Parts: sequence; structure tokens; C-alpha cells
Amino acid sequence: RKEVEQDPGPFNVPEGATVAFNCTYSNSASQSFFWYRQDCRKEPKLLMSVYSSGNEDGRFTAQLNRASQYISLLIRDSKLSDSATYLCVVNTGANNLFFGTGTRLTVIP
Amino acid sequence: DVKVTQSSRYLVKRTGEKVFLECVQDMDHENMFWYRQDPGLGLRLIYFSYDVKMKEKGDIPEGYSVSREKKERFSLILESASTNQTSMYLCASSPRLRATNEKLFFGSGTQLSVL
Repeated sequence: RKEVEQDPGPFNVPEGATVAFNCTYSNSASQSFFWYRQDCRKEPKLLMSVYSSGNEDGRFTAQLNRASQYISLLIRDSKLSDSATYLCVVNTGANNLFFGTGTRLTVIP
Repeated sequence: DVKVTQSSRYLVKRTGEKVFLECVQDMDHENMFWYRQDPGLGLRLIYFSYDVKMKEKGDIPEGYSVSREKKERFSLILESASTNQTSMYLCASSPRLRATNEKLFFGSGTQLSVL
């Protein structure tokens, strides 16, 4: 079983739509959680950390559900510039970072 | 801004060649990492280092070695390149020692093709 699993998509949504991605993790002792964004042929960049109480950054909301072992990313009012691959990252401690394979989002005009 | 620089953006090598991938970071980070990224497999950790001359194996170290003689530089070495090592190689660094909430800063990647 993979440490981190994501639906690869692609998710094709119109501009202005709300879209949500989930990511499940297998290690219940996982300590910290992140969403990274990766544009085509570019390196991943941190989008946001995911906190236990949930957190928001503008149009982006991240949530953690420890009981069901998943994290989510919600994007409201999608922009064309949101088109990218979103990587779920889980840290199980002591530099053990596990990356999901990514969910590809395309926002359509 | 933190800068992580990888020496080559694209590299083409022949089977059996020794290949060096260089990575330099300019923010005095303790931790440095080498990943490879393949379609459908995501990022997989090859090796990491949390101090000069220290290294630890990641998930897929076979066929690779690393060198960290200076804090800012972390080199990945393919002793004898094989076609299954064709991949995107990403170097990353992070500022804290063994912290669980650290942010990774990535270089722009090296697309290596082994023919």
C-alpha cells in the first residue's frame, strides 16, 4: 500500500468553479502535512501547510482529518493560473517525507 | 529568496557512463535531498544529507551515491548509468535539522536521458 495516495485526475473545471482534491495517507503517526503545486516542467513549490484545525489562504482551504487519515484542498473561484499539478506531501517524522503522485487540474476559460 | 541551483537542465548520457549531478543552495540550509520524479510514481527519495559529510539512504538508493563535502553543495553520482535511470532529478534543501514542519525548496530539475 502506498504511503500517500491521490486521484491523478485530470480535473477539468471552468473558470470560477470550486474544486476539491483529497489525499489519503497510510501512517497514522504522520506528523505534518503539506500541499505543493507543480507547474508543467517546473519544480514543486510549497502552496500551504495543513494544520489540524484547518487553514485558509485566500481562495485555498486545506483540511486534515486524522480519524480518516486524509487531507483535502479546496480551491474556490478557480482561475486559469490555478492550472497545475497539486502534490500532497506527508511527513512521518525524521525527514521521512512522502509525496503523492499529484492531481492534475486544468481550469478552462 | 532561497535559491537552489542544479548544474544542468537537460543531460544526455550513454549507458555505462559515470554521471555527476550537482546542486548548490545559497541559504545555509542543513538538509539537502535528491529525488527522482517519474510519471505515475511521483517523487521518490534517493538520498538525503543533514550535515556535511553525512548521508542517509532514501527509498531508492540503488545505483546512486552522493557526496556532501561542503554545506552548500550536494552531488548525486550515477556510477554506471543505465536506461532505467532516465528521469527528472530534483534537488531540494530545507532549513531545519530533523524538524517535522520544514519547507522544502527545490531546484529547477535535471532531465536526464540515458541512451
